[in-house]
Amino acid sequence: AQSVSQHNHHVILSEAASLELGCNYSYGGTVNLFWYVQYPGQHLQLLLKYFSGDPLVKGIKGFEAEFIKSKFSFNLRKPSVQWSDTAEYFCAVKGNNRLAFGKGNQVVVIP
Amino acid sequence: NAGVTQTPKFQVLKTGQSMTLQCAQDMNHNSMYWYRQDPGMGLRLIYYSASEGTTDKGEVPNGYNVSRLNKREFSLRLESAAPSQTSVYFCAGKTGENYGYTFGSGTRLTVV
Repeated sequence: AQSVSQHNHHVILSEAASLELGCNYSYGGTVNLFWYVQYPGQHLQLLLKYFSGDPLVKGIKGFEAEFIKSKFSFNLRKPSVQWSDTAEYFCAVKGNNRLAFGKGNQVVVIP
Repeated sequence: NAGVTQTPKFQVLKTGQSMTLQCAQDMNHNSMYWYRQDPGMGLRLIYYSASEGTTDKGEVPNGYNVSRLNKREFSLRLESAAPSQTSVYFCAGKTGENYGYTFGSGTRLTVV
């Protein structure tokens, strides 16, 4: 079965700082990778996804992620965060028709 | 276009009570899923349905049952609620292999 590991569960940073969230996955088949965001009190929304092709994926709200197959990683980045990026971020890998999530990163952006 | 709709949004149950969480979608999803979200645990798959008439266990199925009544509806039933089932429950759907998953707004369940 597939699994996902996310590091640095709690991240606090100031506006305009750069953000990078690590994600490592384990799955023996063809991977489909996702990053979801959950704003306070809301449901999960898709930030970006990787299925194939260019390993650098651009998503909504200025986020991007890079798939590095040799490292089994799919790290999320944003060059300059805003207060409105305060949320919980989840990495997920799809395999065997199911989506497995990491435990999430709680990101707090201080104005 | 409502997407994935869950009812109720909030529920408080006493230990031993039963209830059904409803999920309906209007996005022609073939596959539907039930997850629970607990602090520090991420989302864990309870059950899923790859197509109408089929259901399969996920990571944490104990204490739950599901019904895929038709293509639109996928319900989650707690026969005898326990405090360990206090959680936020999310339903999700997926249309095809090259699409992401669409999540409902969640049901916050408290079992006292």
